[in-house]
Amino acid sequence: DAGVIQSPRHEVTEMGQEVTLRCKPISGHDYLFWYRQTMMRGLELLIYFNNNVPIDDSGMPEDRFSAKMPNASFSTLKIQPSEPRDSAVYFCASSLLGLFTEAFFGQGTRLTVV
Amino acid sequence: AQKVTQAQTEISVVEKEDVTLDCVYETRDTTYYLFWYKQPPSGELVFLIRRNSFDEQNEISGRYSWNFQKSTSSFNFTITASQVVDSAVYFCALSEAQGATNKLIFGTGTLLAVQP
Repeated sequence: DAGVIQSPRHEVTEMGQEVTLRCKPISGHDYLFWYRQTMMRGLELLIYFNNNVPIDDSGMPEDRFSAKMPNASFSTLKIQPSEPRDSAVYFCASSLLGLFTEAFFGQGTRLTVV
Repeated sequence: AQKVTQAQTEISVVEKEDVTLDCVYETRDTTYYLFWYKQPPSGELVFLIRRNSFDEQNEISGRYSWNFQKSTSSFNFTITASQVVDSAVYFCALSEAQGATNKLIFGTGTLLAVQP
């Protein structure tokens, strides 16, 4: 398996623009997670899905953030409108059995909002 | 409240030295899981180990070993005979059930630099 695939690897956008990050989890994994990593706040769990259904989105910072998982092999994290403080590395991860088990991470998307 | 503390922000050692990375956690749950992840310079996080709260046995995997002590709420990670390839940021994490959903909390990480 190719592992968790994220795109794009890097994104630079202007404040106010919409940004969409994409993730393809490992086939057969029922759980998908979106994390954000910043120097100030470290690694934060934003939202996670089980069988394409959002289970906990309490980590989503604001209504500007939204995530979807239309099918088992694809998820998006959207920021609209983007702000400079959204600049971070966004990771997608997947696992077989949820937060109690090993998660496999993608290489991340480095987002810069100018 | 759930919390993970990695007090060591950065550690620098010379190759072949042993090094221990500390992790202290707080939780009110009796059932929880502890993890260690490695984040090399390439950026992705790599799973190293998982330990549940009912299993206090220490574990050794090659040059890596983990010491889980519930009495001190610690889950420390030791690398024996460190190598340059061990240079990375290491994260300790705690997962517990809170109501209907689970939570996963990462520590702030320890940057390990192994000098040749």
